[in-house]
Amino acid sequence: QQPVQSPQAVILREGEDAVINCSSSKALYSVHWYRQKHGEAPVFLMILLKGGEQKGHEKISASFNEKKQQSSLYLTASQLSYSGTYFCGTETNSGYALNFGKGTSLLVTP
Amino acid sequence: DSGVTQTPKHLITATGQRVTLRCSPRSGDLSVYWYQQSLDQGLQFLIQYYNGEERAKGNILERFSAQQFPDLHSELNLSSLELGDSALYFCASSERGQGGSYGYTFGSGTRLTVV
Repeated sequence: QQPVQSPQAVILREGEDAVINCSSSKALYSVHWYRQKHGEAPVFLMILLKGGEQKGHEKISASFNEKKQQSSLYLTASQLSYSGTYFCGTETNSGYALNFGKGTSLLVTP
Repeated sequence: DSGVTQTPKHLITATGQRVTLRCSPRSGDLSVYWYQQSLDQGLQFLIQYYNGEERAKGNILERFSAQQFPDLHSELNLSSLELGDSALYFCASSERGQGGSYGYTFGSGTRLTVV
């Protein structure tokens, strides 16, 4: 049930773009994205409900293809503050707990 | 401060012992989730409570148990501890209930070290 994230790790220079993918073998109700910095708790970024809506704010956005049970997180013009581990969490039924992927480590360098 | 309070922040204990981790959810949130985070497994779901009732169970060992009290705080009890139980334990809360989907707010975690 654990979603699969790719890539496992990404190294970027400031200003570059990145895409992180998340896929599930089960039908999904929603997909969540979180960012965790070293030694800190995960922080909620956004949620996508089935319907394929693309959501986001500023330079971080995401999409959800419910037919393929896949979601992608788009980070454009990356900043140093984007560094951290990104987790997708998938919900198969409304009201039930998220299953998280193993995470994608993102490092943005000057 | 995320609004979710976890205590203690660090815990060092010997194998075979029992410990209790405590979590107070964000004000107004009825759902509480417990997750275990280790280096190679990411965030593993343990158990979920909604308004005092158990809602779902994940990969929670029989040596582990949890409950949510009337004031909505939750406790995770870990017994007969083994070295492999060493991990970061997170509590999260959300407004999630019978319908809809809401983002989780995580506490700062309890780092458990079993020696």
